[in-house]
Amino acid sequence: DSGVTQTPKHLITATGQRVTLRCSPRSGDLSVYWYQQSLDQGLQFLIQYYNGEERAKGNILERFSAQQFPDLHSELNLSSLELGDSALYFCASSSPGTGPEKLFFGSGTQLSVL
Amino acid sequence: GENVEQHPSTLSVQEGDSAVIKCTYSDSASNYFPWYKQELGKRPQLIIDIRSNVGEKKDQRIAVTLNKTAKHFSLHITETQPEDSAVYFCAASLPYSSASKIIFGSGTRLSIRP
Repeated sequence: DSGVTQTPKHLITATGQRVTLRCSPRSGDLSVYWYQQSLDQGLQFLIQYYNGEERAKGNILERFSAQQFPDLHSELNLSSLELGDSALYFCASSSPGTGPEKLFFGSGTQLSVL
Repeated sequence: GENVEQHPSTLSVQEGDSAVIKCTYSDSASNYFPWYKQELGKRPQLIIDIRSNVGEKKDQRIAVTLNKTAKHFSLHITETQPEDSAVYFCAASLPYSSASKIIFGSGTRLSIRP
């Protein structure tokens, strides 16, 4: 167990709908990262939050948004969903230290858009 | 920006044999190279990492080698076992950067034949 908690594990919805994915980082970690993994694809970085503030953006669509709350949990909001948004969405957390930051992943949310 | 290429995309080896996965990176400033293992339906997990001031690192049956001059690094798994079946991702990162700068390879699906 990585200590990163993601809910829900599975989500099935229809095109045009909006969903919210939730992530709680490891205790003490200030950064939360969101990744998208489509079928047989690699890990695409979407966005990073650090202590409540947006820190970095990757290939995140304008229909997607995220936030990190004072208790450090994060939510990824996906709106106007399309079939192509079906994917596994991972949250990861890390903490700055004296060396490179290491990512600890949650178990993911499998999103199916029908 | 940094680009990481990973080969092969799929690899099948006989149980007990060795497996080698190779990656190349484009930015000579990259100095941190983690490897993640993702079992079917599970989260990616960090299994080993290496920094550019080290040429090789071992952890039991797993080893990673780095050739800074050629800008490539490899994962070696010896005496493969069924539980080694998974997708393996290599990655590269620039120094003093957050984990949002970790660039992942496209993954290698390793299958161990009994």
